[in-house]
Amino acid sequence: DAGVIQSPRHEVTEMGQEVTLRCKPISGHDYLFWYRQTMMRGLELLIYFNNNVPIDDSGMPEDRFSAKMPNASFSTLKIQPSEPRDSAVYFCASSLRVEAFFGQGTRLTVV
Amino acid sequence: AQSVTQLGSHVSVSEGALVLLRCNYSSSVPPYLFWYVQYPNQGLQLLLKYTTGATLVKGINGFEAEFKKSETSFHLTKPSAHMSDAAEYFCAVSVSSTGTASKLTFGTGTRLQVTL
Repeated sequence: DAGVIQSPRHEVTEMGQEVTLRCKPISGHDYLFWYRQTMMRGLELLIYFNNNVPIDDSGMPEDRFSAKMPNASFSTLKIQPSEPRDSAVYFCASSLRVEAFFGQGTRLTVV
Repeated sequence: AQSVTQLGSHVSVSEGALVLLRCNYSSSVPPYLFWYVQYPNQGLQLLLKYTTGATLVKGINGFEAEFKKSETSFHLTKPSAHMSDAAEYFCAVSVSSTGTASKLTFGTGTRLQVTL
């Protein structure tokens, strides 16, 4: 398996624009997690899904953030409108049992 | 709620020296504990994990960690550092009563520097 695949790897956008981050989990995994990494706040869980259903979205910072998982092989994290403080590395991870496997991340820069 | 404290944001060791990265956790139920490594511009890679059973767990690249319930600790060690070990290391905790995945709570990370 190719592992967790995220796209794009880098995204630069202007403040106010919509941004969509994409994730393909490892085939057969039934949990999917979205994390954000910043220097100030470290690694934070934003939301996670089990069998495509959102289980805990308490980490989503505000209504500008939304996440979907329309099927077992695809998830998106959308920010609309984006703000400079959203600049971070966003990681997707998937899991079947206890261990979570992380993607390479998307580095988002909002200018 | 669970939490993780990593003591020391930066640790520097000489090549060939012992590596010791400290991690203490807080959890109201028996935890699952993890160490992940992150190389620059990369994702997180699992080094090792503790779920149940033997308290000394061995991972990849010669690392190991010991779960000490009485000390609520899960320190990461490696007998002899190599230059390629230079990276950021994260301790994480999760709780699950069913043996399935659960959200990870991460520590703030420790950057390991290895010098000649």
